[in-house]
Amino acid sequence: SAVISQKPSRDICQRGTSLTIQCQVDSQVTMMFWYRQQPGQSLTLIATANQGSEATYESGFVIDKFPISRPNLTFSTLTVSNMSPEDSSIYLCSVLGQGAYGYTFGSGTRLTVV
Amino acid sequence: GENVEQHPSTLSVQEGDSAVIKCTYSDSASNYFPWYKQELGKRPQLIIDIRSNVGEKKDQRIAVTLNKTAKHFSLHITETQPEDSAVYFCAASMNDYKLSFGAGTTVTVRA
Repeated sequence: SAVISQKPSRDICQRGTSLTIQCQVDSQVTMMFWYRQQPGQSLTLIATANQGSEATYESGFVIDKFPISRPNLTFSTLTVSNMSPEDSSIYLCSVLGQGAYGYTFGSGTRLTVV
Repeated sequence: GENVEQHPSTLSVQEGDSAVIKCTYSDSASNYFPWYKQELGKRPQLIIDIRSNVGEKKDQRIAVTLNKTAKHFSLHITETQPEDSAVYFCAASMNDYKLSFGAGTTVTVRA
């Protein structure tokens, strides 16, 4: 299965600032996704990162708040903009690799907004 | 969109006993059903998955069953061990697109 490097692993940020999270995959993948997991909760899909075009956002998530880039088939970034304490969460990228290996997750970014 | 419900939310079993977690889905077009295990502070790890053309799949102590008519699927863990303690998530997707996750089940295996 694909190997994902996600960074930073954690950060503490001031409210009103922005943080960009990077997701690097060791092979080309067809699909890349960004999820949010609040403490003790399930995973909620933020958006599908589309290579060469605008991301597809889920209900409740907007591009101005969570801009996403995907310049190629192995890399994507998620920015959490104008952060508030409610944005404190774990953010995970996920990829669908080729073959029958299913969806793989990055190690996550634990974000705390103070 | 797809709605996945998962039960129970918590499950405590004696070591050596079996554990069963059940999920239902709403979209009959869903055709891929993975199960993830997430240990504290770790990423979700795929432990088993099943596609809609198969009714059951087994991998050592873990098995998944799928009932397409009733739109539900279940995870079975036999001979549970302390290292099976974790949060388990079911999910569903259609045509290898986005996953919709259940709320999760916290499994505790008592020694």
